[in-house]
Amino acid sequence: QDQLVESGGGVVQPGRSLRLSCAASGFTFRNYGMHWVRQAPGKGLEWVALIYYDGSNEKYSDSVKGRFTISRDDSTNTLYLQMNTLRAEDTAVYYCARDRLPYYYESSGLWSWGQGTLVAVSS
Amino acid sequence: ELVLTQSPGTLSLSPGERATLSCRASRSLASSSLAWYQQKPGQAPSLLIYGAFNRATGIPDRFSGSGSGTDFTLAISRLEPEDFAVYYCQQHGFAPHTFGQGTRLEIK
Repeated sequence: QDQLVESGGGVVQPGRSLRLSCAASGFTFRNYGMHWVRQAPGKGLEWVALIYYDGSNEKYSDSVKGRFTISRDDSTNTLYLQMNTLRAEDTAVYYCARDRLPYYYESSGLWSWGQGTLVAVSS
Repeated sequence: ELVLTQSPGTLSLSPGERATLSCRASRSLASSSLAWYQQKPGQAPSLLIYGAFNRATGIPDRFSGSGSGTDFTLAISRLEPEDFAVYYCQQHGFAPHTFGQGTRLEIK
């Protein structure tokens, strides 16, 4: 049974940084691509970033490219999202999600999701 | 960026009725790259359909997906009370892996 637990959210001022973590268990973490998806309050889903299962590539949405960095630590089964130069429009619940197929570049769909962590960017 | 447009924005139906939700892509994509998710209030989304028409594990057969190219459909044959939620399509064939804006399925 997959388990994904996000942490690191909170209130942060515009222009500051924050790092989110996602602790994974119940599956072989190093075999799967991993994603971050966010949802602003009362709004729809926005895909944010993907890291390949082997860490060889990363993809980002245009809205976060150059400010956010996705990374992974397979030794601790943890996914990260480093968020720099935060803006008010980054306020959202951030979900981590596991890709559906192992050893798959790009994506095969988002198989399992964490419960999310709330980031609020406000002065 | 590939844009997905879902319609209608809100669908009001009664339990037992059939629901048909549409997802239109701004350009053609492979059926293998289209997924549907369900999100209930206060919960994380969950995968319903992958590869346009394959049900995820544990999804009842009243849910079905179809379509190809730029037009995809999620159908729910006989609505149960637990089906009233928000539904999103997503394409993962072209980065960024965009979502549609969602269809809210509400009880009439």
